[in-house]
Amino acid sequence: GAVVSQHPSWVICKSGTSVKIECRSLDFQATTMFWYRQFPKQSLMLMATSNEGSKATYEQGVEKDKFLINHASLTLSTLTVTSAHPEDSSFYICSAAASGGFYEQYFGPGTRLTVT
Amino acid sequence: AQSVSQHNHHVILSEAASLELGCNYSYGGTVNLFWYVQYPGQHLQLLLKYFSGDPLVKGIKGFEAEFIKSKFSFNLRKPSVQWSDTAEYFCAVIPPSGTYKYIFGTGTRLKVLA
Repeated sequence: GAVVSQHPSWVICKSGTSVKIECRSLDFQATTMFWYRQFPKQSLMLMATSNEGSKATYEQGVEKDKFLINHASLTLSTLTVTSAHPEDSSFYICSAAASGGFYEQYFGPGTRLTVT
Repeated sequence: AQSVSQHNHHVILSEAASLELGCNYSYGGTVNLFWYVQYPGQHLQLLLKYFSGDPLVKGIKGFEAEFIKSKFSFNLRKPSVQWSDTAEYFCAVIPPSGTYKYIFGTGTRLKVLA
């Protein structure tokens, strides 16, 4: 149980375009989902916390207008990288916490974004 | 700044050797602690967690960790590693902020030689 999927697993886009990444909890309802960014050989940096039906909370230094997060249902959160630039190239990972189980997060497999 | 530290960035061991990976945090108060493993090309998987109670926590795949409050540490151990333990290991802490956010350590890349 507690499976989280992400789509796509990798994407290449041109500079200036937007890319949407989906995060789904497959077998549980996720009140809260988290979006992380992982640079090569580095740790996961939390970008934002999203709660179903409300606005996401962004970490300091993360541009909310660039990284749009929508948590439309208890099983789906999306991250849209708008007007992508090469410096946005990274590995984006989502996680989900089950309703009532906020202390444990289940991680998706990640999405590798390359902006050319 | 408050943080989570993993001092061993790269560890190379031979099969059957014992493993200990360090994790230290700088938050006061009650914390929740985790160790995750990321095998090559796979997502993070939970090895073990500590919320309260017995400070010696046993996890999956023969891993265990000991919470030492006085040392702000949560070190991961395995008595005898296998080649299949080659992976990256992350320590994570939920600090007493009430927001359930994980703060990750920088990770330790373990390579086990067959």
